[in-house]
Amino acid sequence: AQKVTQAQTEISVVEKEDVTLDCVYETRDTTYYLFWYKQPPSGELVFLIRRNSFDEQNEISGRYSWNFQKSTSSFNFTITASQVVDSAVYFCALTSLSSSNTGKLIFGQGTTLQVKP
Amino acid sequence: DTGVSQDPRHKITKRGQNVTFRCDPISEHNRLYWYRQTLGQGPEFLTYFQNEAQLEKSRLLSDRFSAERPKGSFSTLEIQRTEQGDSAMYLCASSRRGGNEQFFGPGTRLTVL
Repeated sequence: AQKVTQAQTEISVVEKEDVTLDCVYETRDTTYYLFWYKQPPSGELVFLIRRNSFDEQNEISGRYSWNFQKSTSSFNFTITASQVVDSAVYFCALTSLSSSNTGKLIFGQGTTLQVKP
Repeated sequence: DTGVSQDPRHKITKRGQNVTFRCDPISEHNRLYWYRQTLGQGPEFLTYFQNEAQLEKSRLLSDRFSAERPKGSFSTLEIQRTEQGDSAMYLCASSRRGGNEQFFGPGTRLTVL
């Protein structure tokens, strides 16, 4: 069975602090994709990043960076110099492309990030 | 691209009534997904369409739920004889291929009184 665990339910930081959101996943498939989505108070899920299981290169995009480690089944997300607008619920998600899988996303329970001014 | 749209955005109904939601995916996306999200939880998969074919249904989708995607364009999700436990946000998403990012609509928030 596939599973995504986001152990941090809520994180509160002060603006300009760095913050890391943890994600641990379980899958038996060798080909899979990992995602991070942001859900601001308006409610619409916004795609942030996709990573495939063969690409362990870490990525930086502006203030965002992602650390993918297959050895520990983790796909962590760091926001550098956080801003109030980063306040949202962040979801990690997993999908695989085995013959029985249709690309549906398995989501973690989400981490609520509050950035205080 | 115009994004994924959903209608209505909010629906309040009485227990036992039927409700229908509509999703319009991004036009060139042949894959369409429905998810349900309850308060404090991540979205949970309900059903998947590739073009007009419904290829997977979650066990969460009881026989009171039915979904269609006629002609592989928009999709509808109907809930018959609604129950209070059906109160949730119903999300629609579309993508080009499996493994690609899914783009989500704004959701339909259902409240069953």
